[in-house]
Amino acid sequence: QQQVKQSPQSLIVQKGGISIINCAYENTAFDYFPWYQQFPGKGPALLIAIRPDVSEKKEGRFTISFNKSAKQFSLHIMDSQPGDSATYFCAASRNRDDKIIFGKGTRLHILP
Amino acid sequence: NAGVMQNPRHLVRRRGQEARLRCSPMKGHSHVYWYRQLPEEGLKFMVYLQKENIIDESGMPKERFSAEFPKEGPSILRIQQVVRGDSAAYFCASSPPNREEQYFGPGTRLTVT
Repeated sequence: QQQVKQSPQSLIVQKGGISIINCAYENTAFDYFPWYQQFPGKGPALLIAIRPDVSEKKEGRFTISFNKSAKQFSLHIMDSQPGDSATYFCAASRNRDDKIIFGKGTRLHILP
Repeated sequence: NAGVMQNPRHLVRRRGQEARLRCSPMKGHSHVYWYRQLPEEGLKFMVYLQKENIIDESGMPKERFSAEFPKEGPSILRIQQVVRGDSAAYFCASSPPNREEQYFGPGTRLTVT
């Protein structure tokens, strides 16, 4: 049973465009939703995270939108740059001191 | 402030040998998590440890796999009698107490020949 579903599997965006990655979850006990960025051969790096009491969080060019009733959340990358080309994982966990459940990842490629 | 450290970065073992993966958490972090990543897949939770205690091992296979986080020294993930299916990247993450954020190390890429 996949608890966090992520789409699309891969995404190609022109430089300067908006990259959008979507995730859906099933377990209503989840209350922390991080996004991780991973470059080839590296470990995942925490990019931005949100809790369900807010509908949007923005950090620089990265924005998370959260829809609690639909159990969906998304990552928007504004003004996408070639350096943003990486694999992005959405994730969820229930509370502090708990394991993180990851989506399967989106391989993003930004065309120069 | 050093990040999470893992060694070795690459490990090659023949079928039937033992693999030992080490993880040193960030300074001030007392919680360690191990995850496994297969090619083209997301990360799958294996085990969560605090100093000298296994808190959650629900993702770790019952046989051949074990983990520890001693009072002194790094956390160790041990795989006995490795098989080809154990080939993967193994990542360690750490977090401070009472925080959700987990910070990942660079991983150990295990290849079983």
